[in-house]
Amino acid sequence: KQEVTQIPAALSVPEGENLVLNCSFTDSAIYNLQWFRQDPGKGLTSLLLIQSSQREQTSGRLNASLDKSSGRSTLYIAASQPGDSATYLCAVSPLAILSGGGNKLTFGTGTQLKVEL
Amino acid sequence: EAQVTQNPRYLITVTGKKLTVTCSQNMNHEYMSWYRQDPGLGLRQIYYSMNVEVTDKGDVPEGYKVSRKEKRNFPLILESPSPNQTSLYFCASSSTNPGTEAFFGQGTRLTVV
Repeated sequence: KQEVTQIPAALSVPEGENLVLNCSFTDSAIYNLQWFRQDPGKGLTSLLLIQSSQREQTSGRLNASLDKSSGRSTLYIAASQPGDSATYLCAVSPLAILSGGGNKLTFGTGTQLKVEL
Repeated sequence: EAQVTQNPRYLITVTGKKLTVTCSQNMNHEYMSWYRQDPGLGLRQIYYSMNVEVTDKGDVPEGYKVSRKEKRNFPLILESPSPNQTSLYFCASSSTNPGTEAFFGQGTRLTVV
C-alpha cells in the first residue's frame, strides 16, 4: 500500500528565504507526482505535475524534482513571500490500472508554510 | 473557465438526516472522485467513477453512496450521516488517461451533530 510522507509538518520562515519542502513515497510504481497548494476555505490548486519519466518541473519561483527510484520529491520555493503562506500537499498517482483506474491520488498530510514579514 | 463546483460549501446537519453534496465539472472529464480530508490523515478517496454509470469504492466508502447519471455530475450521498463523517470533502475530476492533472472543487465542510 502506497504511503506518502511530508516533512516538515509545519514551517515558518522570514520573507525572502529560499526553502525546500520534502515528500517521500513508499511505492515507486507511480505515473506521476503532483504538488498542490491548499488555502483555508479554498480548494486544492495544482502547482506542478511531474511525470514519472521526468526529473523536474519549474513554474515561476517553484521547482519540483522527482527521484522515483528513491521515492522522493522536493518542492523548492525561491524568494518566499507572505502570499506563499498555505499548506502544500504532494500526491502520487499509481501505475496499477486497478487502483482507481490510475487516476486515484494518494496524498501526504501536507506541510503548513508560513512566510512572515 | 475550467472548474469543479461543489455545493454547499458549508453544511451543519443532525445525525441520521440524509444529505447530498453536489459536484459538477465543465471539462468533459470522464474520471471523477470524492475525497475526505481529516487532520493527520490527509485526503482519502471515498468513491470514484470512470464514466457514466460506472462507479467503484475507494479507500473509505462506508456510509457513502454516489451516482453518475450524467458525465458532468457526481453527487455524494450520505443516507444516514454520523458524527464520524464530520470532515472536509473534495470532489475532483480528470481525464481517464492515467496520471493526468486532477482538478479539485473548493471543498464542502460538513459537520454532523
